Amino acid sequence: AQSVSQHNHHVILSEAASLELGCNYSYGGTVNLFWYVQYPGQHLQLLLKYFSGDPLVKGIKGFEAEFIKSKFSFNLRKPSVQWSDTAEYFCAVNAGAGNNRKLIWGLGTSLAVNP
Amino acid sequence: DAMVIQNPRYQVTQFGKPVTLSCSQTLNHNVMYWYQQKSSQAPKLLFHYYDKDFNNEADTPDNFQSRRPNTSFCFLDIRSPGLGDAAMYLCATSRERTSPSYNEQFFGPGTRLTVL
Repeated sequence: AQSVSQHNHHVILSEAASLELGCNYSYGGTVNLFWYVQYPGQHLQLLLKYFSGDPLVKGIKGFEAEFIKSKFSFNLRKPSVQWSDTAEYFCAVNAGAGNNRKLIWGLGTSLAVNP
Repeated sequence: DAMVIQNPRYQVTQFGKPVTLSCSQTLNHNVMYWYQQKSSQAPKLLFHYYDKDFNNEADTPDNFQSRRPNTSFCFLDIRSPGLGDAAMYLCATSRERTSPSYNEQFFGPGTRLTVL
């Protein structure tokens, strides 16, 4: 069965630290990959997405992610985090064929950035 | 601005009392989804509509039903809410399946349901 694994459930960083959140998926076919962010009390927003082309994708707010097909990974990075990046981060993979194609979600990573 | 709107934002109901949550969209997307999200968990897909085609997830309880009277609106009906149904309910939309960007979903702000 398709699945998405996020390695870190809770991450605590100080401002200006670098961030990398791991995401691995299990599906052998064509995938579309997403990172969503949910700020406290707010709705899910798309950070970035990968459909095809350059495996290094840039999103909003200085985030980027790299799709490594051989490793089934789509890790999220930011060189220098800010307090305002405190949020829940979800990796999601659209997998499956035909009518069974749907978003498979990771469990999420809670990021707390200390000022 | 094109968007996904959910009403109400907060809903309180009593154990066993039916409740309806609504979602509307101005994006003219073919596909509409309902998710349940509990605290610190990933969204769990309940069902989705592709146009008028209803697709239920295998593990969605019968207590949850949905209606989509037209492209813009979709409703989530909980026939007999239990304490375990207290959660955030998220509506999302996406373009038709043949579009390369079909799989990108746009989320509404959610309705937080409390069951007393």
